[in-house]
Amino acid sequence: EAGVAQSPRYKIIEKRQSVAFWCNPISGHATLYWYQQILGQGPKLLIQFQNNGVVDDSQLPKDRFSAERLKGVDSTLKIQPAKLEDSAVYLCASTEGQPSKEQYFGPGTRLTVT
Amino acid sequence: AQSVTQLDSQVPVFEEAPVELRCNYSSSVSVYLFWYVQYPNQGLQLLLKYLSGSTLVKGINGFEAEFNKSQTSFHLRKPSVHISDTAEYFCAVSGHNFNKFYFGSGTKLNVKP
Repeated sequence: EAGVAQSPRYKIIEKRQSVAFWCNPISGHATLYWYQQILGQGPKLLIQFQNNGVVDDSQLPKDRFSAERLKGVDSTLKIQPAKLEDSAVYLCASTEGQPSKEQYFGPGTRLTVT
Repeated sequence: AQSVTQLDSQVPVFEEAPVELRCNYSSSVSVYLFWYVQYPNQGLQLLLKYLSGSTLVKGINGFEAEFNKSQTSFHLRKPSVHISDTAEYFCAVSGHNFNKFYFGSGTKLNVKP
């Protein structure tokens, strides 16, 4: 079974530029999460999708971050414009959608904003 | 919202020594509990999970954890660590009625020869 795929693995941009990350969850997984993991901290939920609908985006900085999950499969997270404090690892995870099921994580995208 | 506390940000230990990584959570309702491990430049990998039943849960790589409802704790243990266990460990909790996960801030386990 293929795992959660993310690309790119690394990205370096200058502040005020835009960037997009892509995630392909495990086939059949209804719930998809985007997390931001700043160095030395645990993952912080940015947005949670159930199929192609948003369940929770309360911690997503909507003035600069956006995310979509078209057709309930792949997802894209965008930052525009980026700030220095957006430097972090962006993790995508998916689950089958039931509370007892663990999350499966992708390898993450390490973003450096200079 | 729930919270997860990992009191130890770093735990140094010698190879073959036992180790305990502490995790406490805030919920007063039934929860599911997880421990994840993160190796450098990788995503999180599930070590073990508690859903119900026996309070002692065994996971991969010789790790185990004990659920203590009265103390709202889920400490991770290993009787003898290896160099390869050097990584960061995250405790997480989700609720029975939702599939949102809350993570602790992580504990870096540094196994020294």
